[in-house]
Amino acid sequence: DAGVIQSPRHEVTEMGQEVTLRCKPISGHDYLFWYRQTMMRGLELLIYFNNNVPIDDSGMPEDRFSAKMPNASFSTLKIQPSEPRDSAVYFCASSLDRVGFLDTQYFGPGTRLTVL
Amino acid sequence: QKEVEQDPGPLSVPEGAIVSLNCTYSNSAFQYFMWYRQYSRKGPELLMYTYSSGNKEDGRFTAQVDKSSKYISLFIRDSQPSDSATYLCAMSGMDSNYQLIWGAGTKLIIKP
Repeated sequence: DAGVIQSPRHEVTEMGQEVTLRCKPISGHDYLFWYRQTMMRGLELLIYFNNNVPIDDSGMPEDRFSAKMPNASFSTLKIQPSEPRDSAVYFCASSLDRVGFLDTQYFGPGTRLTVL
Repeated sequence: QKEVEQDPGPLSVPEGAIVSLNCTYSNSAFQYFMWYRQYSRKGPELLMYTYSSGNKEDGRFTAQVDKSSKYISLFIRDSQPSDSATYLCAMSGMDSNYQLIWGAGTKLIIKP
């Protein structure tokens, strides 16, 4: 398996622009997680899905952030409008079953977002 | 105060040394303890996973949990330059609905 795939790997945009990050989880995994990582705040869980359904989005910082999972093999994280403080590395991870948090989470390579 | 505290380092040691990485936590309900390793510009990957108290060994790596002190450790024996990475602890329990609560990560540098 190719592992979790994220695109783009790098994104540089200007404040106010819409940004869409994409993720393809490992085939057969039931859980999908979106994280954000910064030097200041470390790794933060933004939202997670189980069988394509959003379960907990309490980590989404504000309404400018939205995430979807239209099918088992694709998810997007959208920021509209983007702000400089959104600059971070965004990771997608997937895991196999309910005890998803107790089971191994497999991370993608991340998208490094810079908002100017 | 954060639920999980971890010294960000960097921790620099010579090749071959024994490395000790640590996390403290405040939530006594945590039962599952994990160490993830993150190489530069890569995603974290699971290294060790322990349940409740005790030790777990895997090759050169030993994970130790002391629930009475709310303290977990990762020991690396015969450290190698390839062990240079950021090590993140993560933990969960019923209180957190089994969501992983992450430490900040400790950057480890092994000097050849």
